[in-house]
Amino acid sequence: DAKTTQPPSMDCAEGRAANLPCNHSTISGNEYVYWYRQIHSQGPQYIIHGLKNNETNEMASLIITEDRKSSTLILPHATLRDTAVYYCIVRALNDYKLSFGAGTTVTVRA
Amino acid sequence: GAVVSQHPSRVICKSGTSVKIECRSLDFQATTMFWYRQFPKQSLMLMATSNEGSKATYEQGVEKDKFLINHASLTLSTLTVTSAHPEDSSFYICSATGQVFSYEQYFGPGTRLTVT
Repeated sequence: DAKTTQPPSMDCAEGRAANLPCNHSTISGNEYVYWYRQIHSQGPQYIIHGLKNNETNEMASLIITEDRKSSTLILPHATLRDTAVYYCIVRALNDYKLSFGAGTTVTVRA
Repeated sequence: GAVVSQHPSRVICKSGTSVKIECRSLDFQATTMFWYRQFPKQSLMLMATSNEGSKATYEQGVEKDKFLINHASLTLSTLTVTSAHPEDSSFYICSATGQVFSYEQYFGPGTRLTVT
């Protein structure tokens, strides 16, 4: 049973911001929103996570709505190397398991 | 940052033979390691969770006698696919976590297994 819903695919232009949506309407109060990405034939790479406040690191920004039912991952200046499958996952901090859904296949075009 | 390695990166074996895949945490002690399997154009599926020094916990539908997992040290876990068959051909990925990184999972680069 998927706890998150993501669009299956999206294209974006190189150099532009990529906004990746994720719905998690059944998220619990102790669950965080995590984002990972998987470049073809590689292991997943951690991007960012957050609870309720917006977060930013060197890779991306995470915007979580006030009701926490959805979030958006923002890649500020997409490059061709950002082409990957992006996974939005909710998990409690003390729950080690990650359940990967289908993710969003992001294709960055020159 | 945390670095997790896997060896080999690719392996081809004949049907009926066994193959071992190693997963190492290079710069931290991994109290827990996870093994995933990924078929083409599909997402990662968790196979099992292993804690150092104890038996692995397998997900429903994963045969523990076929996929032997050993986590003998805080930096090494191995997955042995016994009596491999062509349907076991897949991308196997491990991840590791430990208290030093607040239990975030760090993934290895994956191992491509092809059974002929």
